[in-house]
Amino acid sequence: AQTVTQSQPEMSVQEAETVTLSCTYDTSESDYYLFWYKQPPSRQMILVIRQEAYKQQNATENRFSVNFQKAAKSFSLKISDSQLGDAAMYFCAYRSPTSMIYNQGGKLIFGQGTELSVKP
Amino acid sequence: DVKVTQSSRYLVKRTGEKVFLECVQDMDHENMFWYRQDPGLGLRLIYFSYDVKMKEKGDIPEGYSVSREKKERFSLILESASTNQTSMYLCASRLHPSLETEQYFGPGTRLTVT
Repeated sequence: AQTVTQSQPEMSVQEAETVTLSCTYDTSESDYYLFWYKQPPSRQMILVIRQEAYKQQNATENRFSVNFQKAAKSFSLKISDSQLGDAAMYFCAYRSPTSMIYNQGGKLIFGQGTELSVKP
Repeated sequence: DVKVTQSSRYLVKRTGEKVFLECVQDMDHENMFWYRQDPGLGLRLIYFSYDVKMKEKGDIPEGYSVSREKKERFSLILESASTNQTSMYLCASRLHPSLETEQYFGPGTRLTVT
């Protein structure tokens, strides 16, 4: 079974600085998808970034980028030029490809979450 | 934009009560999910559904059941609520089980069982 681990329950960053959130995962699959979700105090889960395992290039979305190390099974999120609105709980998640019959409808497997605070 | 709504933001129930949590999506999605979110545990899958009247157990189905009579609506049922079911419940939907599409989440229901 796949597992996702976020070892940093809390992180803090100064406004305009850069912060990196860590995520490791365990799987025997060669093809899969990795995600970072943001959950602000409103509780609405927002997809931040997505990475396909077959792509070697790291995904980037504006100020958000990932460092995907497939061999090390590591998937960290870097937030550049942090803003007050980035304060939230961040979840790393894993999904098997839909071709896998046991993937339970494309369920997401989540890490424990990292609470990010941004100091003005 | 896809919209997933949940019937209540906050709910307080008593031990032994039957509880219904409702979720509605407006984009004709085939897949719907119920997750439970607890501090330090992340989100865990309770049940999911491929289509109307189709349901499958997730990783923590004990104490829960679900109903999907219409495509847009997926209900989570606590037959006899217990204090260990105090948690945040998140509903999600996805276009189709065979497509590499994303899940869209509702705003969550924070349930307290006293």
